[in-house]
Amino acid sequence: GENVEQHPSTLSVQEGDSAVIKCTYSDSASNYFPWYKQELGKGPQLIIDIRSNVGEKKDQRIAVTLNKTAKHFSLHITETQPEDSAVYFCAAIDFGNEKLTFGTGTRLTIIP
Amino acid sequence: DGGITQSPKYLFRKEGQNVTLSCEQNLNHDAMYWYRQDPGQGLRLIYYSQIVNDFQKGDIAEGYSVSREKKESFPLTVTSAQKNPTAFYLCASSIAGKLFFGSGTQLSVL
Repeated sequence: GENVEQHPSTLSVQEGDSAVIKCTYSDSASNYFPWYKQELGKGPQLIIDIRSNVGEKKDQRIAVTLNKTAKHFSLHITETQPEDSAVYFCAAIDFGNEKLTFGTGTRLTIIP
Repeated sequence: DGGITQSPKYLFRKEGQNVTLSCEQNLNHDAMYWYRQDPGQGLRLIYYSQIVNDFQKGDIAEGYSVSREKKESFPLTVTSAQKNPTAFYLCASSIAGKLFFGSGTQLSVL
């Protein structure tokens, strides 16, 4: 089955700086890669996603890049703000089996 | 208000007791999921259902049971066979691979 590795497990950045979280996946059949943000005591929320036919996608301060050859994808947050502090999860899915596999999460802390 | 509703938010289980966590969705999604989250860890899949009256075991199904009698509802029972039930439980529904999560139930053992 699919295995998703996520790094780093914790990340602290100064407010206004950029943050990058990286994930690798094992199953070359995976074709959809979402990123979720989880605030304390709440369920994860989808913040951005990318499909395997696209190399990069941006949404305001958030971007995701995908390298299919190397089987890795990354989340980039620019101009970080205190409200970006949360746990971020990457995931991968092969639409053929409809089962999403999650990474182990990154706790991002923005230092004011 | 559309979304996934989980109840209760906090639940306590006595030893040897079965407890049921509720999950309701009004998004008209076919697929629903239950995940377990332990402190500082990722999400592990317990059970999932692609369609009414059908469900499959996930990676950690032992000690849990589910039913899917209605499209809107996917309750999870934590049985007495689950020896370490303390965790945060998340229900989700999905469409085109995008998961929408509820706000979770924190289960603790008395």
